[in-house]
Parts: sequence; structure tokens; C-alpha cells
Amino acid sequence: GENVEQHPSTLSVQEGDSAVIKCTYSDSASNYFPWYKQELGKRPQLIIDIRSNVGEKKDQRIAVTLNKTAKHFSLHITETQPEDSAVYFCAATSYSGGGADGLTFGKGTHLIIQP
Amino acid sequence: NAGVTQTPKFRILKIGQSMTLQCAQDMNHNYMYWYRQDPGMGLKLIYYSVGAGITDKGEVPNGYNVSRSTTEDFPLRLELAAPSQTSVYFCASSYPRQGRDYGYTFGSGTRLTVV
Repeated sequence: GENVEQHPSTLSVQEGDSAVIKCTYSDSASNYFPWYKQELGKRPQLIIDIRSNVGEKKDQRIAVTLNKTAKHFSLHITETQPEDSAVYFCAATSYSGGGADGLTFGKGTHLIIQP
Repeated sequence: NAGVTQTPKFRILKIGQSMTLQCAQDMNHNYMYWYRQDPGMGLKLIYYSVGAGITDKGEVPNGYNVSRSTTEDFPLRLELAAPSQTSVYFCASSYPRQGRDYGYTFGSGTRLTVV
């Protein structure tokens, strides 16, 4: 099955700086890679995703890059703000013809924005 | 449109008791999932369903059972609760089709403690 590794487990950055979280996956058949943000005591919320036919996707201050050859993908947050403080999870799965086995999640990164 | 609704939000069980965690979605999503999240960890897939009458085991199915008699409902049954089942349980749904958003919609979670 798929295995997703996520680093670092904790990341502390100064407000206004950039943050980068990295994930690797093991199954070359995986073709969908979402990122979720989870605030304390809340449900995970999808913030951005990327499919394997795209190398990069951006949404305002958030971007995700994918390197299929190396089997890794990264989340980039620029101009960090206090409300970016949360736990971020990467995930991977294989969608084909409408089938899906469920997302495999990384263990999460606790992002701390220092004022 | 309520999205994904989970009940109860909190529950304390004694060892050996049984209970059913309820999950319902009103988005006509065909895919539904149950995950557990242990403290400081990512989400692990327990069971999933690709449609009414079809269920499959995920990564950690032992001690749990599911059923999917309708598109809307996907209850999770715990038989003979054990302390190792203390966790937060999230139900999720999705509607993966070519060209559409593959992201999950999560419920608000059920915090279960087994004592």
C-alpha cells in the first residue's frame, strides 16, 4: 500500500516569512495529492490539491509543487500570518476511472507563526 | 445543505461496551470513509465505501464494522470497546469524477474515550 512521509513534524517561522512542508510517497500509481489544514479541535479542511498531470498549482499565498520522478510534493506558504498556525497534513491516493481506495495521510506538521 | 453530520460529538465507553458512530451526508456523494486520528498523528483509514451495499477494509479495520444500506448513511460499529480505540473519529465523503473536485468533506468528528 501507499506510505506517505511528512517533514518536519514542527515548523516555527516568523510572521511574514515563508514556510515549506515536504512529503514523499511510495506508490508510483498515486495521482492525487491534497493538503489539509486542521485547527485545534476542528475537522481537517482542504486548502489545495494537485493532480499528477500538473507540476505546480498556486492559490494566493499557498502553492503546491509535485515531482513525480522523485515522488515528492511540497506545500509553500508565503507571507505567513498568525491565522496560518495549525497542523497541516499531506495525503496521496490513486484515482482511476472513478475508483479510489481512500487517502493515505502523512503524520502532520505543526506550523507555528511567531509574532 | 448540512454536508457531513456525525453523532455523537463526544462519548465515554467502558471496556467491553459497544456503540455505533453515526455519519450522514446530504451531498449525494457516492464515496464515504471512516478515519481515526490518534493524538499527534495523522488520519488512518478504518473502512470505506464506494456506494450503497459496498464496503472495504482500510488500514486499521480490526475491532470495527460498517454497513452502507443507503447512499446517505455510513455508520461505524465498535464491538467490545478497548482502550486502544480511544481516538477521534472522522467520517468523510467525496464524489470523485473526471474533471471534478476530488477533495473530501469531513464531518466534525466524534471524540471517543474508552475507560
